[in-house]
Amino acid sequence: QLQLQESGPGLVKPSETLSLTCTVSGGSISSSSYYWGWIRQPPGKGLEWIGSIYYSGSTYYNPSLKSRVTISVDTSKNQFSLKLSSVTAADTAVYYCVTSGGDYYGMDVWGQGTTVTVSS
Amino acid sequence: EIVLTQSPGTLSLSPGERATLSCRASQSVSSSYLAWYQQKPGQAPRLLIYGASSRATGIPDRFSGSGSGTDFTLTISRLEPEDFAVYYCQQYGSSPRWTFGQGTKVEIK
Repeated sequence: QLQLQESGPGLVKPSETLSLTCTVSGGSISSSSYYWGWIRQPPGKGLEWIGSIYYSGSTYYNPSLKSRVTISVDTSKNQFSLKLSSVTAADTAVYYCVTSGGDYYGMDVWGQGTTVTVSS
Repeated sequence: EIVLTQSPGTLSLSPGERATLSCRASQSVSSSYLAWYQQKPGQAPRLLIYGASSRATGIPDRFSGSGSGTDFTLTISRLEPEDFAVYYCQQYGSSPRWTFGQGTKVEIK
């Protein structure tokens, strides 16, 4: 069964780039899922989709974040990553990596989440 | 952009009671690409329902989903103590590709 684990700095300075990695275990990132993605949740608030990368290599981003987001896959490390540039305090959140067997099937595997605080 | 509105914001019920949660979309959701998630404090969300009415693997049959078009419902037939949590609906669309409702909290009365 697939498992996901987020990693990365817990504190990022304003205007810098937030970089997170999601390590996939229990299967190959090259063949195990339909898409890989990132979701975030600001403190005390709801869930926000950040973006997804599909098995085909296509990427889709939330229009509200598109100019600042990059999602990529590293098959050699069985990982995928998130980069969010020019962060502000509004980017403080718990960041989750997710995967799914298909758009119809919902996001059925989630990482435990990692808290990122943007502060000087 | 499709906006999902969940109601009520908070549902206060007792164990054993029936919970009915609503998710209304501002436009028709294509092919019932509608999912429901449960989130407990300090935990990641868990997929409950996909395709509007199909239970995810390992989800008890007291959870059921229904609806189509713009109106969807999550029903918990008899609340167990572990069911008190926040529930989110989610839809697949064009842009943004995925959106979530704001959540409904089911709390112990």
